[in-house]
This record gives sequence, C-alpha cells and structure tokens, in this order.
Amino acid sequence: AQKVTQAQTEISVVEKEDVTLDCVYETRDTTYYLFWYKQPPSGELVFLIRRNSFDEQNEISGRYSWNFQKSTSSFNFTITASQVVDSAVYFCALSEGNYGQNFVFGPGTRLSVLP
Amino acid sequence: SAVISQKPSRDICQRGTSLTIQCQVDSQVTMMFWYRQQPGQSLTLIATANQGSEATYESGFVIDKFPISRPNLTFSTLTVSNMSPEDSSIYLCSLTSHTTGTDTQYFGPGTRLTVL
Repeated sequence: AQKVTQAQTEISVVEKEDVTLDCVYETRDTTYYLFWYKQPPSGELVFLIRRNSFDEQNEISGRYSWNFQKSTSSFNFTITASQVVDSAVYFCALSEGNYGQNFVFGPGTRLSVLP
Repeated sequence: SAVISQKPSRDICQRGTSLTIQCQVDSQVTMMFWYRQQPGQSLTLIATANQGSEATYESGFVIDKFPISRPNLTFSTLTVSNMSPEDSSIYLCSLTSHTTGTDTQYFGPGTRLTVL
C-alpha cells in the first residue's frame, strides 16, 4: 500500500528565511502522482502542484520550488524568502492512479512564519 | 480549476442526530470523493461516489453511518448519521479535474462539524 511521510510535524522560521518541507513516499506502482496542498487557518485546501512519476524535472513557481527525486522517493517543497502569509499546514499527497483513486495524504507539516 | 461549494460551512449538532452535507460543483464530473479531517489530523478518504451507482467505502467507513447520494454529475450529499462527539471533524468533498491533459484533485471549502 502507498504511504506518505512528512517527518517535520512543525517548523517555525522568521520572515524572509528559506524553508524546506520534506516529503517521502512509498509506492509499488511505476505510474503515480505527487501533490502538495496548503491549508491556511481558514481551513480550505489550496492546490499547489501536481507532478507525475515520469517527470523528474524540478519546478519553480515564484517563491515556491519543488525537488522531485525518484532515487530517494522524495518530493520536497522549498519556500524562498518566507512571508507571514505562508503560515499554514502543508500536505504532501500521493495518488497511484488517475481520477482521485488511491489518494493518500501525508500527516502534514505546520509552518509558522514569524514576523 | 473547478469551483466546489459545500453547505453548510459549519454546524453544531447534538449527539444522536444526523446531518446532511451538500456538495455542488460547477462542471460535470464522474467521480466525487468525500474526505474527513479530524482535529489536528490529516485527511482520510471516506468514500468514492459515482453517479448512477453505489458509493464505494474505504475501510473503517460504512454506508449506514455515512450514506451518500449522487443524483447527478454535479451534486452529491454525505450524511453523518447518529452522530457522536467522535464525528467532530471537517468534511470535504473533492473531485478530479481534467485540464490540459492533466488530472488534479480539488477540494471544497469543507464543512466544520462539531458534535456536542
């Protein structure tokens, strides 16, 4: 069965620091999808990125970047120059198929960015 | 991205009662999903709801406790039956949106349920 581990339960940084959130996954499938979601205090889940298992190219979107390494089964998320608005719980998730089936969330990492 | 709305956004209920949560989407989707997020926890899939067939429940969830309806391709309901304080959670509906050849899972804003 698939599994997602986010070893960091809580992280606190001071504004403008860079921070990396770790995600390690387990799956037996060769085709799978990895996701990151942000859940701010208001509670809604905000989609950040989707990556398929055949695309190891790292991605940058503004202050956000993602490092996908199949060799270590990791899909880490870095926020550069963090801001107070980045404070939220961040979830890494894994899907072993399309259409939302076999979709598993990690336990989440609570990020607090202090002014 | 898909627009998903849920009603109610929050509710406080008495033990032993039932609550029906509605999920409306702005496009037709084959599969919708219901998740539960207990306080301070991650999300857990309750069931998959296909239009025109019975919902498929994950281990630990049963139809008698969480009956689901899926009358059409844009709407679904989840009922939390015979509630107890342990049912206090956020309940979220979700769908897979197919855009530009990729599939992404989107979530509704959630229904925050408190059972007294």
